[in-house]
Amino acid sequence: DTVMTQTPLSLSVTPGQPASISCKSGQSLLHSNGKTYLYWYLQKPGQSPQLLIYEVSSRFSGVPDRFSGSGSGTDFTLKISRVEAEDVGVYYCMQNTHFPRTFGQGTKVEIK
Amino acid sequence: QVQLQESGPGLVKPSETLSLTCAVCDDSISSDYNWGWIRQPPGKGLEWIGTVFHGGSTSYNPSLKSRVTISADTSKKQSSLKMSSVTAADTAVYYCARDVSAFDIWGQGTMVTVSS
Repeated sequence: DTVMTQTPLSLSVTPGQPASISCKSGQSLLHSNGKTYLYWYLQKPGQSPQLLIYEVSSRFSGVPDRFSGSGSGTDFTLKISRVEAEDVGVYYCMQNTHFPRTFGQGTKVEIK
Repeated sequence: QVQLQESGPGLVKPSETLSLTCAVCDDSISSDYNWGWIRQPPGKGLEWIGTVFHGGSTSYNPSLKSRVTISADTSKKQSSLKMSSVTAADTAVYYCARDVSAFDIWGQGTMVTVSS
């Protein structure tokens, strides 16, 4: 299985400040079709996960533009330009280039 | 807007079969969608269980494949998950989600506890 490693595992951020989460995969996520199937989810407290970013850098419908994704190959990053109180929760990366799809262990974001 | 709702017993005995249903509520034909199941043990991360594709074929996580069956009934607009020979390690919140490579729409999840 493709191991997805997120860092840090927890993050405490002052509102209005930026935040960054890293996700590294055990092998390149570049598919033979030229696409990279790397996704980001946010699971708010007591809720189901919600899709934020698909295929590395495309924001899902309704996702604020303070969220951005970047990266290639094995190294990916989710950035929040200015953290708001509603951004607290656990962030997961997930890959679907290699079978079976796998998730990172999650990064918990809290507000200072 | 598509909405998903999981349902099923909240308590299953060890060695028995866990059976869950995901009802799809939307205003459009759901037969073109793929439906995935994902689980999350208490306080832990997410694990993909498997997916049933709109043509009826399935794909399972190899770690669970021997115990899992996922199906879809488009006439009833629902997907079903069956997991046999459960143990305490199968205690988790089980989610169904629309699978478009990403899981873009999720149900609220249903907690299943395996205990005698």
